[in-house]
Amino acid sequence: GAVVSQHPSRVICKSGTSVKIECRSLDFQATTMFWYRQFPKQSLMLMATSNEGSKATYEQGVEKDKFLINHASLTLSTLTVTSAHPEDSSFYICSASQDRGQGGQPQHFGDGTRLSIL
Amino acid sequence: AQSVAQPEDQVNVAEGNPLTVKCTYSVSGNPYLFWYVQYPNRGLQFLLKYITGDNLVKGSYGFEAEFNKSQTSFHLKKPSALVSDSALYFCAVSFHSGGYQKVTFGTGTKLQVIP
Repeated sequence: GAVVSQHPSRVICKSGTSVKIECRSLDFQATTMFWYRQFPKQSLMLMATSNEGSKATYEQGVEKDKFLINHASLTLSTLTVTSAHPEDSSFYICSASQDRGQGGQPQHFGDGTRLSIL
Repeated sequence: AQSVAQPEDQVNVAEGNPLTVKCTYSVSGNPYLFWYVQYPNRGLQFLLKYITGDNLVKGSYGFEAEFNKSQTSFHLKKPSALVSDSALYFCAVSFHSGGYQKVTFGTGTKLQVIP
């Protein structure tokens, strides 16, 4: 149980293109979804936290207009990288949690999306 | 602020030997602590968590972790390492803020099990 599906797994596209990444919880309802960015040999950098039906909360330094997050339902969140440039190339990972504010539920992660901007 | 520290970037251990991956935490209130594992080009997988109760927590793949309140530590352990355990391990602390879950990850420790 607690499976999170993330698509696509890999994207290669030209500079200036917008890219949408989907994150779906397949067998549970996710009250909270998280979007991370991971650079080679580095830890996860939290980009934003999204709760179903409300606006995403972005971490300091993350451009809201650059990284659009939508959490329209309890099973789907999307991250759109708008007008992507080579410096946006990275490994993006989503996760979902059933936590309802207590903090004790684990996150369930997708397999990540390798984004390469040429 | 809630934080976790993983003091070792890499841990090397021979196959069959016991392994320990260290984690210390700093939280206000009762901690919710987690361990996750990441294999190359994959997302993270949940291994185990400590919420309350027994200080020794058992998780997936034979891993366990010991919560030590006096030392503010939550080290990950396994009695006998396998080559397939080689991966990146993350300690995390979870808390709630403004009614929503927040999680802070450590910097990760690369475990290399040598055949």
